[in-house]
Amino acid sequence: EVQLVESGGGVVRPGGSLRLSCAASGFTFDDYGMTWVRQAPGKGLEWVSGFNWNGGDTGYADSVKGRFTISRDNAKNSLYLQMNSLRAEDTALYHCARGPHYTSSWYNWFDPWGQGTLVTVSS
Amino acid sequence: QSALTQPPSASGSPGQSVTISCTGTSSDVGGYSYVSWYQQHPGKAPQLMIYAVSKRPSGVPDRFSASKSGNTASLTVSGLQAEDEGDYYCSSYAGSNKVIFGGGTKLTVL
Repeated sequence: EVQLVESGGGVVRPGGSLRLSCAASGFTFDDYGMTWVRQAPGKGLEWVSGFNWNGGDTGYADSVKGRFTISRDNAKNSLYLQMNSLRAEDTALYHCARGPHYTSSWYNWFDPWGQGTLVTVSS
Repeated sequence: QSALTQPPSASGSPGQSVTISCTGTSSDVGGYSYVSWYQQHPGKAPQLMIYAVSKRPSGVPDRFSASKSGNTASLTVSGLQAEDEGDYYCSSYAGSNKVIFGGGTKLTVL
């Protein structure tokens, strides 16, 4: 069974940093693109960042570019999101999601999704 | 980079059909065949329902169909069932390695 489990969320002060992790299992991790999508409380989905199977083709939303960094460790079947200079508007549930197999563009679709880890930015 | 435009709500009675629209621009929906749709039930993770404009992943009922015309994509749910109630989001590639989501539509089965 394909599983994605996020961790690393918590409460952080504005300007602070946090590193999210996503542990993948049930599939050959380094064959797939991966992405992060967030959802502010009571709001809709917002794509954050994503890349292809080897991290060589990466994208960021304008709202996080220069502050967030996506990375992956294929040996550990893990996806990461380093978040710096956090702002109140970054408060959200952060989901990781698997993209298509490397034979398709990483941004084509996202399936499945993890349950998410909650990040709260507050003083 | 504005969100794709979806109606905030849609509704229908069991057995009826409902269509949800998703309007973007020629730089996203109209420019690529990378439109997907997601269903989200309260407190749950989103689930892929449609990818590549109109393709259905295995396990998704054929009551769900989708299409695109110009800058607007559409999701149709036929033969509405109670379990179809939830939030629906469209998504599109927007060029330059960016993805954009719609604001979401709350589907109510009356």
